[in-house]
Amino acid sequence: EVQLVESGGGLVQPGGSLRLSCAASGFTFSSYWMHWVRQAPGKGLVWVSRINSDGSSTSYADSVKGRFTISRDNAKNTLYLQMNSLRAEDTAVYYCARAWLLLDYWGQGTLVTVSS
Amino acid sequence: QPVLTQSSSASASLGSSVKLTCTLSSGHSSYIIAWHQQQPGKAPRYLMKLEGSGSYNKGSGVPDRFSGSSSGADRYLTISNLQSEDEADYYCETWDSNTLVVFGGGTKLTVL
Repeated sequence: EVQLVESGGGLVQPGGSLRLSCAASGFTFSSYWMHWVRQAPGKGLVWVSRINSDGSSTSYADSVKGRFTISRDNAKNTLYLQMNSLRAEDTAVYYCARAWLLLDYWGQGTLVTVSS
Repeated sequence: QPVLTQSSSASASLGSSVKLTCTLSSGHSSYIIAWHQQQPGKAPRYLMKLEGSGSYNKGSGVPDRFSGSSSGADRYLTISNLQSEDEADYYCETWDSNTLVVFGGGTKLTVL
């Protein structure tokens, strides 16, 4: 059974940093692209970032470019999102998702709240 | 870059059928999309991939009541024999080599 379990969310002050993790199991992690998607309270889904299967290529939404870094450790079956210079508008539930072109499995999400 | 347009809300009675629409922007009518369901307070769940031909491939455990179809730039999700647990937000998603993942705004489905 495919499982994606996020962790690392919490309350952080504006300008602060946080690192999210997504532990994957039930599939060959190193064969899939992985994505981060976020959802602000009461709003829709917004794509944040993606990484290819071996970690050699990454992409970011304009809103997070230069502040967030996606990475993966295929030996540990884990995806990461390093978030720096956090802003109030980054407050959201962050989901990791597996992709074979399109997203086909989602984690349960982790809440990030940016507030003083 | 592709844009996906969805109605903000829809409603239908328990036991009836409903057809949700996701429309691809001009120049992108051949794109494959995915449908995702998000029940209140839960994570999204992948329902199916849907091609422009109308061929679709459902995710594991998705009930037979869910089906997909296509016409031109429109991609449809039909839910038959509506159940209370089908009350949810439904999002369509597509992929492009330049813009990567794009979501529609979502349709909130109310089961009356």
